[in-house]
Amino acid sequence: TQLLEQSPQFLSIQEGENLTVYCNSSSVFSSLQWYRQEPGEGPVLLVTVVTGGEVKKLKRLTFQFGDARKDSSLHITAAQPGDTGLYLCAGDDGNNRLAFGKGNQVVVIP
Amino acid sequence: DTGVSQNPRHKITKRGQNVTFRCDPISEHNRLYWYRQTLGQGPEFLTYFQNEAQLEKSRLLSDRFSAERPKGSFSTLEIQRTEQGDSAMYLCASSLYRENEQFFGPGTRLTVL
Repeated sequence: TQLLEQSPQFLSIQEGENLTVYCNSSSVFSSLQWYRQEPGEGPVLLVTVVTGGEVKKLKRLTFQFGDARKDSSLHITAAQPGDTGLYLCAGDDGNNRLAFGKGNQVVVIP
Repeated sequence: DTGVSQNPRHKITKRGQNVTFRCDPISEHNRLYWYRQTLGQGPEFLTYFQNEAQLEKSRLLSDRFSAERPKGSFSTLEIQRTEQGDSAMYLCASSLYRENEQFFGPGTRLTVL
């Protein structure tokens, strides 16, 4: 089993601040996906990164895939209360299975 | 809404009872996946189908669990003789063949008393 470690597990910030969360592994992934999950709901896909060093932007969210395709980061600029949620990273091992981390719980205080 | 749907959303059952969940994937998606998520954890892979063929099962899927996708469209996941340890959120996802993006349904929350 390929393990994904997400840090920090919990982060609370004020509205308007910036934050970065991390997803690390010792394994190489063919692609990596970030999801956001609300309580009692399924994960919602935010982005997929495939190429080492790739950077993708989704409005105020910036996702980066490490050069060696083992790690990723998510940066949120000027966080808003609507960004509150559990951010999950998931690596595709090339065999159609996603291996998930435990998530980064982000709380943005108005 | 043309996303993945799951029914029921919530199920409460007594230990020892059988339960069945249904998943309807995005219509053109030929791959369908089942995951299980417990509190404080990320989803864990259980099994997946390509069309009607079940191609892989995790060792997490004990003999009490069975999944089917008879016509390559919707899928069912049955748990026989439920145990308290089966309490979890059961998530279904679908994707296109050779695409690495999986889209999840809202999940079925199972509580075994």
